[in-house]
This record gives sequence, C-alpha cells and structure tokens, in this order.
Amino acid sequence: DTEVTQTPKHLVMGMTNKKSLKCEQHMGHRAMYWYKQKAKKPPELMFVYSYEKLSINESVPSRFSPECPNSSLLNLHLHALQPEDSALYLCASRLWDSSYNEQFFGPGTRLTVL
Amino acid sequence: AQTVTQSQPEMSVQEAETVTLSCTYDTSESDYYLFWYKQPPSRQMILVIRQEAYKQQNATENRFSVNFQKAAKSFSLKISDSQRGDAAMYFCASQWDSGYALNFGKGTSLLVTP
Repeated sequence: DTEVTQTPKHLVMGMTNKKSLKCEQHMGHRAMYWYKQKAKKPPELMFVYSYEKLSINESVPSRFSPECPNSSLLNLHLHALQPEDSALYLCASRLWDSSYNEQFFGPGTRLTVL
Repeated sequence: AQTVTQSQPEMSVQEAETVTLSCTYDTSESDYYLFWYKQPPSRQMILVIRQEAYKQQNATENRFSVNFQKAAKSFSLKISDSQRGDAAMYFCASQWDSGYALNFGKGTSLLVTP
C-alpha cells in the first residue's frame, strides 16, 4: 500500500459549522503534513506531525485544529471558518528517516466555506 | 531560509517535442534535496524526479531528466517526447534536513499541444 487517502473529497460548510478532514496512510510513515493550496498556487504548509507529536505549526489560526490519534491517521478539525479558508487541503506523509525525503501526497479535500 | 524560484508561469510544448522548465534556488545549507512534483488538473500531486545535492550525476527517470548545476543553484527539468499526459502544473521544491516540509516554487503550468 503506497498511498495517502483523504476523506471527504469535497466539503461544503457554513461559517458556524464544525467539520473534520481525515487523512490516512499505511506505509509506516512517521511524519505527516497538512497543506493548504489555493488555485494555481503552491501548497502552503500548515502543520507537521512527527511521531504523532505536533512539531511545526505555521501560525495557523486556531479555527484549524490538527490531531494525530495514531501513526496512520491525521485529522484536521474545522470550526468557525471564513470564506477565505476555501481551498484544497492536502495531506502528505514521509518516512522519517528515509534518505530519499520524498513526500507522498493525498488527493486532497476541496473545501468551500459559504 | 531556502527560496525556490520558477520564472516561467506558463510553458507550451508540442507533442513529441522537448521542453525545459527552469528552477533556481537559494540556500546556505550544504545538505539538501531537490524535487520536481507534477500536479495534473484536479488530480493528485506526484513526484516526478528527485536529486540529492551531494550527488554530481544528474537524475533521470525515463523521459524526465534534470540539469543540476550546484554552483549556479539551478535545477531545471527536461521532458523529452512530450505527451498529452504531461500537461500539468509542475512545482520545483527543496528540502533540507529531516523533519522539515518542502519549499515550493510558484509553479509552471505546462500545456501540451497536438
């Protein structure tokens, strides 16, 4: 199994809703990432988890709350989002001590905030 | 800090022809990795090719090859025998040390014409 899966594929939510994005990998990777990508722009790093611990938070607003319950699963909890948060949210994973340093990306969740 | 620059927002190539996408980077690190990622429209981002900075030999993957000029801090991607499936956004990226996320360039949108 060499893939990163993300659910849901699409999500539409109002500004008062609470929703969660899910990311899963079974490659034994111990580093997992959340990125935000706007149309025709590169991905922007949001969070990095290393061995299930949050290691990097790129000054992301608190309305985004990450969670890593185990080594295979990464969640992003959303609450009170703004329309400008509409974007493609990408999850990625990487084998921590690999000399290749390749990140594997999921297909993303396309989020629309109304 | 590392910066990655892609100076070509859009490129066009005819099928079966060769195209070169440019990328320059800036870093003070001695150990780093360079990548080209491909993101087709509404599809998953995938790794095209990687280069370890300590290796002098240019990486090659089938029709894809790089021209890595370490002193000039240049890392261009050459696509030979271009195919329709090569149409995508191409991101140049760098990464140094374990545990840090990718530094992306702004991307080059490649159009493949008949």
